[in-house]
Amino acid sequence: AQSVTQLGSHVSVSEGALVLLRCNYSSSVPPYLFWYVQYPNQGLQLLLKYTSAATLVKGINGFEAEFKKSETSFHLTKPSAHMSDAAEYFCAVTPSGGYQKVTFGIGTKLQVIP
Amino acid sequence: KAGVTQTPRYLIKTRGQQVTLSCSPISGHRSVSWYQQTPGQGLQFLFEYFSETQRNKGNFPGRFSGRQFSNSRSEMNVSTLELGDSALYLCASSQPIAGGRGRHEQFFGPGTRLTVL
Repeated sequence: AQSVTQLGSHVSVSEGALVLLRCNYSSSVPPYLFWYVQYPNQGLQLLLKYTSAATLVKGINGFEAEFKKSETSFHLTKPSAHMSDAAEYFCAVTPSGGYQKVTFGIGTKLQVIP
Repeated sequence: KAGVTQTPRYLIKTRGQQVTLSCSPISGHRSVSWYQQTPGQGLQFLFEYFSETQRNKGNFPGRFSGRQFSNSRSEMNVSTLELGDSALYLCASSQPIAGGRGRHEQFFGPGTRLTVL
């Protein structure tokens, strides 16, 4: 069984400040991890993914995340927030073997203050 | 490649009615997953179909059902609608990684917004 915990359902940052969105996972086998972004009235779009290669993963729009097995974490960061980053972000986990379902976190709404 | 499409985009029904939502995956993708998204609940997994077979199932009542056709298009049906079924229903398509090493990322459609009055 796997699960995802996203700490902070709402996060506010100033434009130009560091963005840090937290994700901790639980998985009985090595996981694959994903971050998705959802803009209002749209579906989810993949930001980045970890599939057991490099532990530091770079994604679109300047985002990156680091897989830390010892901390069971996969936090999402961006050095400088833009107004266009305001959206809801979802962390997701699935086992690395077989073909099992994907489990999503509850989401974090990011507000960017001008 | 065209993305995942969902029809209709918006739907208004009344309690007790039934509804059918449709999803066309990315060409070549054989897996379709369905999710219910509501404020505060995040994405709740409904079920997943792979090559016309239900592969995984979430914890939803039997009023929620689905199927997949030979062209990978999928439908989900909700019977005897309740007010609590009002939600955004998302479908996503994906492919397995060769050699049974898991799955690639999912590609999501824009969703169907269902309102039950």
